[in-house]
Amino acid sequence: AQTVTQSQPEMSVQEAETVTLSCTYDTSESDYYLFWYKQPPSRQMILVIRQEAYKQQNATENRFSVNFQKAAKSFSLKISDSQLGDAAMYFCAYRSASPQGAQKLVFGQGTRLTINP
Amino acid sequence: DSGVTQTPKHLITATGQRVTLRCSPRSGDLSVYWYQQSLDQGLQFLIHYYNGEERAKGNILERFSAQQFPDLHSELNLSSLELGDSALYFCASSVADGRYNEQFFGPGTRLTVL
Repeated sequence: AQTVTQSQPEMSVQEAETVTLSCTYDTSESDYYLFWYKQPPSRQMILVIRQEAYKQQNATENRFSVNFQKAAKSFSLKISDSQLGDAAMYFCAYRSASPQGAQKLVFGQGTRLTINP
Repeated sequence: DSGVTQTPKHLITATGQRVTLRCSPRSGDLSVYWYQQSLDQGLQFLIHYYNGEERAKGNILERFSAQQFPDLHSELNLSSLELGDSALYFCASSVADGRYNEQFFGPGTRLTVL
């Protein structure tokens, strides 16, 4: 079974600074997707960024980028120029890409990010 | 707004009771997923339906059941409720169940069991 681990329960950063959230995962599959979701106080789950395992290039979405290390099974999220609106719980998630595999998302325990003004 | 709707937003009930949570997927989405978010268990997958058929089950209790109707809306039924069932229940939908289809989450139903 796949597992996702986020070892940082809480992180804080000064506004406009850069912060990196860590995530490691365990799987025996070679083809999969990795995601970062943001959950603000409204509790809505918002997709921030996704990475396809077969792509070596790290995904980037504006101020958000990932460092995907497939061999190390590591998938960290970097937030540049942090803004007050980035304050939220961030979840790392895994999903199999196999058509026969389960399509469910497997989530880490989350990292609560605080932005200090 | 993801386009996925869930009703009710909040539900307060007593132990031993039965409740039904409803989810309407985005227009055109055939897959519906249910997740439970609780303080002690985190975010966990419960069940997946595709076009009316059950496709996968997660750690769903026997007291819980779900179905997807011909109009593609889904209901999650929780019975013999216990205090530990208090949680935020999310529904997500995607176009199909192929290689990659983004799952769009609804706003959730917060269930409180007293």
